[in-house]
Amino acid sequence: GENVEQHPSTLSVQEGDSAVIKCTYSDSASNYFPWYKQELGKGPQLIIDIRSNVGEKKDQRIAVTLNKTAKHFSLHITETQPEDSAVYFCAAGTNAGKSTFGDGTTLTVKP
Amino acid sequence: GAVVSQHPSWVICKSGTSVKIECRSLDFQATTMFWYRQFPKQSLMLMATSNEGSKATYEQGVEKDKFLINHASLTLSTLTVTSAHPEDSSFYICSARDSSSGRGKLSYNEQFFGPGTRLTVL
Repeated sequence: GENVEQHPSTLSVQEGDSAVIKCTYSDSASNYFPWYKQELGKGPQLIIDIRSNVGEKKDQRIAVTLNKTAKHFSLHITETQPEDSAVYFCAAGTNAGKSTFGDGTTLTVKP
Repeated sequence: GAVVSQHPSWVICKSGTSVKIECRSLDFQATTMFWYRQFPKQSLMLMATSNEGSKATYEQGVEKDKFLINHASLTLSTLTVTSAHPEDSSFYICSARDSSSGRGKLSYNEQFFGPGTRLTVL
């Protein structure tokens, strides 16, 4: 089955700096790579996703890059704000299939 | 759009009792729903995949007789934790996906998550 590894497990940045979270996956059949933000006591919220036919996608301060050859994808958050502090999960899956989640990254943005 | 609700948001029960958690897609029809459990400071662990009108597919190590899943309609799936024990205490989260064709509004395999249900078994 699919195995997703996520790094780092914790990340602390100063407000205004950039944050990068990286994930690797094992199943070459995976073609859908979402990123979720989870605040304490709440369910995950999709913040951005990318499909295997695209190498990069950007939405305001958030961007995701995908390297299918190397089987890794990354989340980039620029100009971080305190409200970006949360746990971020990457996932990998296939069309109509289930997604496998990474272990999560706790991001802390210091004012 | 694409809102998923869960009920209850939290529940406390005595050991040996059964607890039912509801997951509803409020503004779309969910042909597939997923049930996860999450322990503190850990990732989401998929328990089962529920397809409307058919039996759920359970992940390895998840007891189907203990975690009963019913997906009787396109907007509702329920998870019943039978004979709950303290080790079943966890955060249970559902997600819903509209896998049907022809719906341009929703991304094909995007999952929409509910807010979660905190179960505490005494």
